[in-house]
Amino acid sequence: DQQVKQNSPSLSVQEGRISILNCDYTNSMFDYFLWYKKYPAEGPTFLISISSIKDKNEDGRFTVFLNKSAKHLSLHIVPSQPGDSAVYFCAASGAGGTSYGKLTFGQGTILTVHP
Amino acid sequence: GAGVSQSPSNKVTEKGKDVELRCDPISGHTALYWYRQSLGQGLEFLIYFQGNSAPDKSGLPSDRFSAERTGGSVSTLTIQRTQQEDSAVYLCASSLGASGHNEKLFFGSGTQLSVL
Repeated sequence: DQQVKQNSPSLSVQEGRISILNCDYTNSMFDYFLWYKKYPAEGPTFLISISSIKDKNEDGRFTVFLNKSAKHLSLHIVPSQPGDSAVYFCAASGAGGTSYGKLTFGQGTILTVHP
Repeated sequence: GAGVSQSPSNKVTEKGKDVELRCDPISGHTALYWYRQSLGQGLEFLIYFQGNSAPDKSGLPSDRFSAERTGGSVSTLTIQRTQQEDSAVYLCASSLGASGHNEKLFFGSGTQLSVL
């Protein structure tokens, strides 16, 4: 049972344009959501997060939007840069547990930003 | 080192053999996690250590998997009688363990395990 889903395995964007990565979840107990970025041969690194009490969180070029009623979140990167090319994982936590690091991850979306 | 260190970076083994994967967390981090990523899949939670508390083993896929954390620092993930489906990247992460949603996980580069 895939509780966090990233239905787009890959996304290709031109440099300077907006990248939109999407994520859906099924467990209504999730109350905290995170995005991680992963380069080849490296571990994932934290990018941005959002609590379920908010619907938007912005950090520089990165903005995460949360639609609780639709159980959907998205990551917007604008403007996109070639260095943003990586695998992006959506993750969720808080499903009734006390381990905030016990994250449920999506399958990842490979973002390629072309110069 | 400043980051989470994992060894070996690559491990090739034969079906049925036991393997041990090592993780050195960031100094001062009390929480340690093991995840694995199979081909085409997201990261799958395996086990979580927090201080001296009993570990959360709820993600271990079978009793062939076990993990220890000695002295609240280094951790070893052991897979006994490896199977081909165990082939994956095994990722270790650590965090301050202060609890709360601002808990940030710092991941190592992982161990690529290949079971032939």
